[in-house]
Amino acid sequence: EDKVVQSPLSLVVHEGDTVTLNCSYEVTNFRSLLWYKQEKKAPTFLFMLTSSGIEKKSGRLSSILDKKELFSILNITATQTGDSAVYLCAVEEGDDKIIFGKGTRLHILP
Amino acid sequence: DGGITQSPKYLFRKEGQNVTLSCEQNLNHDAMYWYRQDPGQGLRLIYYSQIVNDFQKGDIAEGYSVSREKKESFPLTVTSAQKNPTAFYLCASWGGLQPQHFGDGTRLSIL
Repeated sequence: EDKVVQSPLSLVVHEGDTVTLNCSYEVTNFRSLLWYKQEKKAPTFLFMLTSSGIEKKSGRLSSILDKKELFSILNITATQTGDSAVYLCAVEEGDDKIIFGKGTRLHILP
Repeated sequence: DGGITQSPKYLFRKEGQNVTLSCEQNLNHDAMYWYRQDPGQGLRLIYYSQIVNDFQKGDIAEGYSVSREKKESFPLTVTSAQKNPTAFYLCASWGGLQPQHFGDGTRLSIL
């Protein structure tokens, strides 16, 4: 059973739209949640979240964690074609174990 | 510059053959990881190691083996028991306070 579930699995929107990507998790001994963007090769880091309710922001991207409801969202406003990628959510459990969801494949139409 | 080096970038395996993927880091990170990624999929954890001479199975360890004789190195062997090895393999390291660093990956194909 998947411990980290991302939704939707794929999403196609037009440039300029706002998108919200979801990540829910069910792990013991949660320590942090991470978001990555993957284009061709290695994932690139976006955010690390450890505390509930504190929004992290970087340009048009923002993310927030709800440790009570066990989920996180990643928002991208005013999307651009360069935002097209797979967005990966990962959760760090105790003992340094880091597990990933299946990812959301985002495609931005010009 | 500190980072993770995976080699080779592309690897071809014949049926019944074992192959070893290299992963080296100079970040002085204690923890290292191997993930497998299939087309259109996320990353699945194969093995991880928190410290030298110790490692734990991830979710899909069958058909793979690892060693951690040095802090810098965490090679992954894809054995002949892995019947569907064609995938993109990513190595990562983690120092605890920063997010994981990833290598550029090795793409393994079957001849």
